[in-house]
Amino acid sequence: QVQLVESGGGLVKPGESLRLSCAASGFTFSDYYMNWIRQAPGKGLEWVSYISDSSSFTNYADSVKGRFTIYRDNAKNSLYLQMNNLRAEDTAVYYCAKGRVAADWGQGTLVTVSS
Amino acid sequence: EIVMTQSPATLSVSPGERATLSCRASQSVSSNLAWYQQRPGQAPRLLIYGASTRATGIPARLSGGGSGTEFTLTISSLQSEDFAVYYCQQYNNWPYTFGQGTKLEIK
Repeated sequence: QVQLVESGGGLVKPGESLRLSCAASGFTFSDYYMNWIRQAPGKGLEWVSYISDSSSFTNYADSVKGRFTIYRDNAKNSLYLQMNNLRAEDTAVYYCAKGRVAADWGQGTLVTVSS
Repeated sequence: EIVMTQSPATLSVSPGERATLSCRASQSVSSNLAWYQQRPGQAPRLLIYGASTRATGIPARLSGGGSGTEFTLTISSLQSEDFAVYYCQQYNNWPYTFGQGTKLEIK
């Protein structure tokens, strides 16, 4: 069965960086678009970024463009999100999700940005 | 950016009854519309994509409809596990956007 396991979240100060990882199993990772979607505490969902199966295409929400970078390593069945210059408003649970439509989700990793 | 508006914000329904949730897009998204369910403390789960196609393992008592700008999610004969928050999401245009959610609660 599909498994997506996020890691790398934690407490950081504004302006600092963090890298999230998502380990995928149970499907042919290299065949699928992958996504990062976040949810601020008590709030709704925001689609942060996606990357195509071969990494040819990426896209970012305006709120993170220029600060976040999505990338993947198909040999390691892993998805990443490099987050730089973090802001308080980036505080959220970050989910890794599979497919052009988010058919499968990980359990999420919490990122807290606070001084 | 396409704005997705869900109504109502909260819907109170008795178990065994039928619930209809609505979602409106600020411009046409064709049939590129998905519905997700989120229970407390859990990740969202895909229910419907393509406006009306059930995802794997989703029971037939859940159905989606609509196209263009108006969409509905109908749950017939509500069961205890159905009481949760539901989000619609368009994937016709980037940025993909979600509605603010409808909380389905037990009456």
